[in-house]
Amino acid sequence: EVQLVESGGGLVQPGGSLRLSCVASGFLFSAYEMNWVRQAPGKGLEWASNISSSGTTVKYADSVKGRFTISRDNAKNALYLQMNSLRAEDTGIYFCARVVGSTIWDWGQGTLVTVSS
Amino acid sequence: EIVLTQSPGTLSLSPGERATLSCRASQSVSSSHLAWSQQKPGQAPRLLIYGASNRATGIPDRFSGSGSGTDFTLTISRLEPEDFAVYYCQQYGSSRTFGQGTKVEIK
Repeated sequence: EVQLVESGGGLVQPGGSLRLSCVASGFLFSAYEMNWVRQAPGKGLEWASNISSSGTTVKYADSVKGRFTISRDNAKNALYLQMNSLRAEDTGIYFCARVVGSTIWDWGQGTLVTVSS
Repeated sequence: EIVLTQSPGTLSLSPGERATLSCRASQSVSSSHLAWSQQKPGQAPRLLIYGASNRATGIPDRFSGSGSGTDFTLTISRLEPEDFAVYYCQQYGSSRTFGQGTKVEIK
């Protein structure tokens, strides 16, 4: 069974930083592209970033480019999202997601990030 | 960036009725890159349909997807109580985008 377990969310002040983690199990982690998708309170889904299976190719939404960094450690079956210069509009649930083919196939339960003073 | 527009925003129906949800893309999307997911309150999304018309593992056959190019449809043939939720289309072209969602609520 595929499992994706996020952690690292919490309350942070505007301008602060957080590092999210996602630990994967139940599949060969090193073979799959991974994504971070976020959801503001009461809003829809917004893709934030993705990383290729090897970690060599990364992409970001314009809304987070230059502030967020995605990375992975295939030896630890772990995905990360370093978030700097956080803003109120970054508040929401952050989901770790596995891509199969071109589709987001599996989702974690998410971790809540709240940016507020 | 490809923009996905879902309609209607909210669909009010009764159990047993048929639901038809639309997803329109701002430019042509490869059918293999169009998917539908369901999200219930407090839960992560769950994949229903991939490749525009293929049901994911364990998805009941009352869910079906169709369409091509810029117009795609998710149909729920007979609504069950557990189907009342928010539905999102997603696409992957040069970047990944989601529609804004359609809420299917009990009438």
